[in-house]
Amino acid sequence: EVHLVESGGGLVKPGGSLRLSCAASGFDFSDYSMHWVRQAPGRGLEWVSWIGSRSTYIHYADSMKGRFTVSRDNAKNAMYLQMNSLRVEDTAVYYCARGNHWQLVQNFFDNWGQGTLVTVSS
Amino acid sequence: QSALTQPASVSGSPGQSITISCTGTSSDIGTYNYVSWYQQRPGKAPRLLIYDISSRPSGVSDRFSGSKSGNTASLTISGLQAEDEADYYCNSYTWSSTMLFGGGTKVTVL
Repeated sequence: EVHLVESGGGLVKPGGSLRLSCAASGFDFSDYSMHWVRQAPGRGLEWVSWIGSRSTYIHYADSMKGRFTVSRDNAKNAMYLQMNSLRVEDTAVYYCARGNHWQLVQNFFDNWGQGTLVTVSS
Repeated sequence: QSALTQPASVSGSPGQSITISCTGTSSDIGTYNYVSWYQQRPGKAPRLLIYDISSRPSGVSDRFSGSKSGNTASLTISGLQAEDEADYYCNSYTWSSTMLFGGGTKVTVL
């Protein structure tokens, strides 16, 4: 069974940094691309970033470019999201989700973690 | 980039069919046949319902079906059940190498 567990969320001040982790199990992690998706309180889903299975291909939503960095360690079955210059509007539950294809164009999100809450507030 | 356009809410009685629309542009839905749909119950993570416009993953009821015409994709729930009460989101790949969600639709079973 696919299992994704996010961690690293918490309270951070505007302008601060946070690193999220996503631990994967139940499948061959190195064969799958992965996504980060976020959801602000009471709001809809927003795609954040995607990383290919070998980290060769990476894409970000425009509003995250330059501030967020996605990475993965296939030996540890883990994906990360380094978030810098955080803003109040980055407050959200951050989900990791498994992708299905080596090209972003054919991707969907076939399994999701339960999410980790990031709160940006002074 | 603006979210794909979904109705804020749709309702129906048990046993009825309802359809949720998801309208984009020629830069996303209109060009790419990679639309997916997700169900999210309160306090839970989203769950994949439909991918590649109309394909269903194993374990998803055949009461859920998807289609596309032009710049608009649709999710139909037939034989509406109380357990279908949830938020539903569409998603599409876009020409700018990003993924775009719809704003979400709250389904209420009357």
